[in-house]
Amino acid sequence: ETGVTQTPRHLVMGMTNKKSLKCEQHLGHNAMYWYKQSAKKPLELMFVYNFKEQTENNSVPSRFSPECPNSSHLFLHLHTLQPEDSALYLCASSQSRGNTIYFGEGSWLTVV
Amino acid sequence: KQEVTQIPAALSVPEGENLVLNCSFTDSAIYNLQWFRQDPGKGLTSLLLIQSSQREQTSGRLNASLDKSSGRSTLYIAASQPGDSATYLCAVSGDRGGSEKLVFGKGTKLTVNP
Repeated sequence: ETGVTQTPRHLVMGMTNKKSLKCEQHLGHNAMYWYKQSAKKPLELMFVYNFKEQTENNSVPSRFSPECPNSSHLFLHLHTLQPEDSALYLCASSQSRGNTIYFGEGSWLTVV
Repeated sequence: KQEVTQIPAALSVPEGENLVLNCSFTDSAIYNLQWFRQDPGKGLTSLLLIQSSQREQTSGRLNASLDKSSGRSTLYIAASQPGDSATYLCAVSGDRGGSEKLVFGKGTKLTVNP
């Protein structure tokens, strides 16, 4: 248990569906992140939020829409995804400018 | 653009062996370097963090070294055990500091055979 909880752990969705991934951290951190992990590729940073404000968008397609209502919760809204978007999506948190980053268990997404 | 390379991509060793995992990065202007462990289908667990001003960090059977000027780090695992089987990831953060700009390698998949 890392203090970062992601739901659902597994999700299968069609290309026309709308779904959301949820992340919650219980560590009192003020920075939260979404990472994408695809087979045979390095972990890729998608978005960074500091104090609920987005500070990094790593050229992510608009079919991925993040939302950070408060410092403890982070969502990733998914819409009209492609099969190549199938991957493990990892949420993480840290103190802003902090060094230690804590990851959730990830959400396995399959787009059919 | 920072790039992180990990060699080998996979490693299989008998239990009890000492081993070294390698990580190299192209831009030496880093704030810190971290080693993570990832078990199959799970998230990442931070193992060791080395600040750019440090040369090494130790935790139990793990020792990580950093040669910033040459862009290299090694993770040494002593007396390996089957429970050490996992993928080990190296990541560097930019010289602005913090975790916001972590760049990861593809990892080394380690299998320790009983």
